[in-house]
Amino acid sequence: AQSVSQHNHHVILSEAASLELGCNYSYGGTVNLFWYVQYPGQHLQLLLKYFSGDPLVKGIKGFEAEFIKSKFSFNLRKPSVQWSDTAEYFCAGYSSASKIIFGSGTRLSIRP
Amino acid sequence: DAGITQSPRHKVTETGTPVTLRCHQTENHRYMYWYRQDPGHGLRLIHYSYGVKDTDKGEVSDGYSVSRSKTEDFLLTLESATSSQTSVYFCAISESSDRGRYEQYFGPGTRLTVT
Repeated sequence: AQSVSQHNHHVILSEAASLELGCNYSYGGTVNLFWYVQYPGQHLQLLLKYFSGDPLVKGIKGFEAEFIKSKFSFNLRKPSVQWSDTAEYFCAGYSSASKIIFGSGTRLSIRP
Repeated sequence: DAGITQSPRHKVTETGTPVTLRCHQTENHRYMYWYRQDPGHGLRLIHYSYGVKDTDKGEVSDGYSVSRSKTEDFLLTLESATSSQTSVYFCAISESSDRGRYEQYFGPGTRLTVT
């Protein structure tokens, strides 16, 4: 990816609501995509990754993402969010050499 | 959790002073990275290293230098700190690269304030 865009800067949901966070990338050759999560006061952790094969990728904590090549998208989804999902979510993509580039992040707030 | 420590964890410094941040790993991973995190910008790569004494620039390298004399340590130096370098700095490591296929593990971060 040459760039990664996250258009939702802050999303507020109630518990048990469904979640979808948008991520778009610009094509730059190899398409390796990631979602990372950063819980308040903590470091980034990998949620899931896509390299090839099945475009629906399942990650930890019930999250999944779908790679749609025709839309240059890699949206993150969860059927039912919990208060503990409150965090900042970053989409990222392989750029070049050994580099990964990150989107600007989406802050997710869950109302109890 | 991967064995990554960063020091100091918090630092306040004055404009114009030199600052060195340290990243130490116990995983013997080949690749090490320095990022800065700023609101609205996500994480941006400053410099990275693909081996001892082997480093390269990232997208926001101006004003920063790095050194890696041992596998386990990766130092980030601000030669003359400016207020625009106030940020949270994260170190990351990965076993290899292969077009980003190897997961990056992140350290706890260093919050730097330049007054």
